[in-house]
Amino acid sequence: GENVEQHPSTLSVQEGDSAVIKCTYSDSASNYFPWYKQELGKRPQLIIDIRSNVGEKKDQRIAVTLNKTAKHFSLHITETQPEDSAVYFCAASMSNDYKLSFGAGTTVTVRA
Amino acid sequence: SAVISQKPSRDICQRGTSLTIQCQVDSQVTMMFWYRQQPGQSLTLIATANQGSEATYESGFVIDKFPISRPNLTFSTLTVSNMSPEDSSIYLCSVEDQTDTYQETQYFGPGTRLLVL
Repeated sequence: GENVEQHPSTLSVQEGDSAVIKCTYSDSASNYFPWYKQELGKRPQLIIDIRSNVGEKKDQRIAVTLNKTAKHFSLHITETQPEDSAVYFCAASMSNDYKLSFGAGTTVTVRA
Repeated sequence: SAVISQKPSRDICQRGTSLTIQCQVDSQVTMMFWYRQQPGQSLTLIATANQGSEATYESGFVIDKFPISRPNLTFSTLTVSNMSPEDSSIYLCSVEDQTDTYQETQYFGPGTRLLVL
């Protein structure tokens, strides 16, 4: 099955700085890569996703890049704010079954 | 996106008992899934809940321990059977739904926090 690795496990950044989280996947058939943000005690919330026919996608302060050849994708958060503090999960799936394989998660702390 | 609710939101159970968790969606969806999130851990897929047929379980999960029902396109249940403290987790249902731009993506319910004593 699919194996998704995520780094780093924790990330502390100064408010206003950028945060980058990286994930690698094992199954070259995976073609859908969502990112979820989970605040303490809350459900995972989709923040951005990318499909294999696109190399980069941006939504305001959040961007995701995908390198299919190297089988890795990254989340970039610019101008971080305290409300960005949360656990972020990357995931991968194939469009024919939609089953998500998750990375281990990254705890992001934004210092004011 | 679909609005997903789960019941109960949390429960404390004694070992050896069973708990049934309900997942309700406000619109018809084809794909529904059940995930487990152990304390401080990531999410692991338990099974795909198939409407009108038996659920499809992932490696390490079996029907006797986690029976699933999917009677229609808006509702599913997950039962955690013969519970032990190791079953203490958050159980989340999720659905495939379309975004505003008509692309398929997956949304999660609020989860059920289970503590087994």
